[in-house]
Amino acid sequence: QVQLVQSGAEVRKPGASVKVSCKTSGYTFTGYFIHWVRQAPGQGLEWMGWISPSGGATKYAQKFQGRVTMTSDTSINTAYMELSRLTSDDTAVYYCAKYSGSLYFDYWGQGTLVTVSS
Amino acid sequence: QSALTQPASVSGSPGQSITISCTGASSDVGGYNYVSWYQHHPGKAPKLMIYDVSRRPSGVSDRFSGSKSGNTASLTISGLQAEDEADYFCSSYTSNGLDWVFGGGTKLTVL
Repeated sequence: QVQLVQSGAEVRKPGASVKVSCKTSGYTFTGYFIHWVRQAPGQGLEWMGWISPSGGATKYAQKFQGRVTMTSDTSINTAYMELSRLTSDDTAVYYCAKYSGSLYFDYWGQGTLVTVSS
Repeated sequence: QSALTQPASVSGSPGQSITISCTGASSDVGGYNYVSWYQHHPGKAPKLMIYDVSRRPSGVSDRFSGSKSGNTASLTISGLQAEDEADYFCSSYTSNGLDWVFGGGTKLTVL
């Protein structure tokens, strides 16, 4: 069965960076984009961007341009999302989601809480 | 503030039906038949319940249905069961510079 398992909670100081992993199984990793979405406390979900594991092409939401880097390692079927220059506004649960290929997300990770605090 | 507007909470008794709305704009919900709905039990992975406005993935109960009118999509759950208690959020493809927008989520309480 398809599974996306994310790395554990992280705490960072303002100005630092964080890298969240999303280990996939149960499907052909290189066949489907991985998207990243976040949800800040008390707010709705916010789309951050995607990566194509087969080649590494990426697209980022304008809000995160210059601060986010999405990568993948096809040898271990894992996608990564790194966010730099963190502020308290980046405190959120970050999710990876497998793109179905037809404009919806068919599987999600369990989420990774990133807390930014001095 | 979310791009798509959902009620913060809805409730219903077992066996009843409830409807959750998701209001957007002509650049997203109203312009495309690409609305999807997800069930989210806190701490777990969100689960796809409806895609392309009204299609159900294999394995999802037919008690869940979706529809759309203008800029508002709706998720209806009939024959409410205790296990349906969860957060539900909608998503839509958009042409406004992002690729996808989401609702703020609706907490369903089964009384």
